[in-house]
Amino acid sequence: AQSVTQLGSHVSVSEGALVLLRCNYSSSVPPYLFWYVQYPNQGLQLLLKYTSAATLVKGINGFEAEFKKSETSFHLTKPSAHMSDAAEYFCAAKMDSNYQLIWGAGTKLIIKP
Amino acid sequence: DAMVIQNPRYQVTQFGKPVTLSCSQTLNHNVMYWYQQKSSQAPKLLFHYYDKDFNNEADTPDNFQSRRPNTSFCFLDIRSPGLGDAAMYLCATSRDHGGETEAFFGQGTRLTVV
Repeated sequence: AQSVTQLGSHVSVSEGALVLLRCNYSSSVPPYLFWYVQYPNQGLQLLLKYTSAATLVKGINGFEAEFKKSETSFHLTKPSAHMSDAAEYFCAAKMDSNYQLIWGAGTKLIIKP
Repeated sequence: DAMVIQNPRYQVTQFGKPVTLSCSQTLNHNVMYWYQQKSSQAPKLLFHYYDKDFNNEADTPDNFQSRRPNTSFCFLDIRSPGLGDAAMYLCATSRDHGGETEAFFGQGTRLTVV
């Protein structure tokens, strides 16, 4: 069965430090992969997506993610955290021609001043 | 700007009193989704429309219904809200069902049941 695992329900980093949010997928065929961000009491906003065109994907707000088939991973990174990055981040996967997004449980990013 | 708009942002309803949440889109997308999201959880798909075709998820309670009168609008009706239905309700759209097509989300409606 397809699934998405996000390691760490909470991640805390200092302002200016590297952000690393982990996402692993489980499926026999590499899916399309998405990272969404959700600020408190807001909807979800797409940060970036992997569509097999390039393994390193750049998104909005300085985030990027690298698809590694051998590790079945799509980790999200940002070189330098900003206070405004504090939010919940969701990784999601979708198989071709399937409407269903398979969601990870989410990771709450906490930024320490 | 093209977008997905949900009204109201916050809704308080009484236990058992029917409530309707609305969603409109200016993206002209074929697919509209309704998700339920409880605190600190991932969104859970309730149902979706592809054009006029309605698709209900197997575990969506009968208490939840939806209408899509035209391409732009979609409504979520909760016939008899219970305390367990208090949640954030998210509307989303996508161009089609294709794997790489992303979903665009509205700001959500936070439903409180008293």
